[in-house]
Amino acid sequence: DAKTTQPPSMDCAEGRAANLPCNHSTISGNEYVYWYRQIHSQGPQYIIHGLKNNETNEMASLIITEDRKSSTLILPHATLRDTAVYYCIATFGNEKLTFGTGTRLTIIP
Amino acid sequence: EAQVTQNPRYLITVTGKKLTVTCSQNMNHEYMSWYRQDPGLGLRQIYYSMNVEVTDKGDVPEGYKVSRKEKRNFPLILESPSPNQTSLYFCASGFLSGAYTDTQYFGPGTRLTVL
Repeated sequence: DAKTTQPPSMDCAEGRAANLPCNHSTISGNEYVYWYRQIHSQGPQYIIHGLKNNETNEMASLIITEDRKSSTLILPHATLRDTAVYYCIATFGNEKLTFGTGTRLTIIP
Repeated sequence: EAQVTQNPRYLITVTGKKLTVTCSQNMNHEYMSWYRQDPGLGLRQIYYSMNVEVTDKGDVPEGYKVSRKEKRNFPLILESPSPNQTSLYFCASGFLSGAYTDTQYFGPGTRLTVL
């Protein structure tokens, strides 16, 4: 799996869009970008994943740069319940997920 | 409801007393895995299983055993727990796409304290 780099923490005002960046400059051509989040000490929760194209689901949007060296997770209208640690992972879908320390996102009322 | 369940959710035990943490999934997933989470270290994989009777070591397997006799269950066994196994444990499962895992679904966690 390619190494990913994320800022350790971010704040976002409630109701605004939260944009979480991730750098994966060594990603290989068939590695996907996955995003998970962990609310307090609950089990990590899958959010979204993509390979090349931008993706959107009911939770978030994923924007991947054309060179695939970085991506941004967008939570369009952040709520207090989105306060969590967000993990960006670049993987083939290997049997092991390597979680780094992620970005601690705090939604400010 | 599709889910991964773990039991117990909280456990305090003493050094050397064998224990088992159960994990069960109702999604017919081939792949199952155990992780531990410690402050500042992220999630580290202990063991994983690609199917029934197929298990393999992750990054930190020492002191743990697993078995996969049925597709839905993947218990984690600590034969002789030690204080350095105090941690938050997560079980996960997922479908296999060819040789690779798809999205993983995590259980709620088991907080283990070994005195």
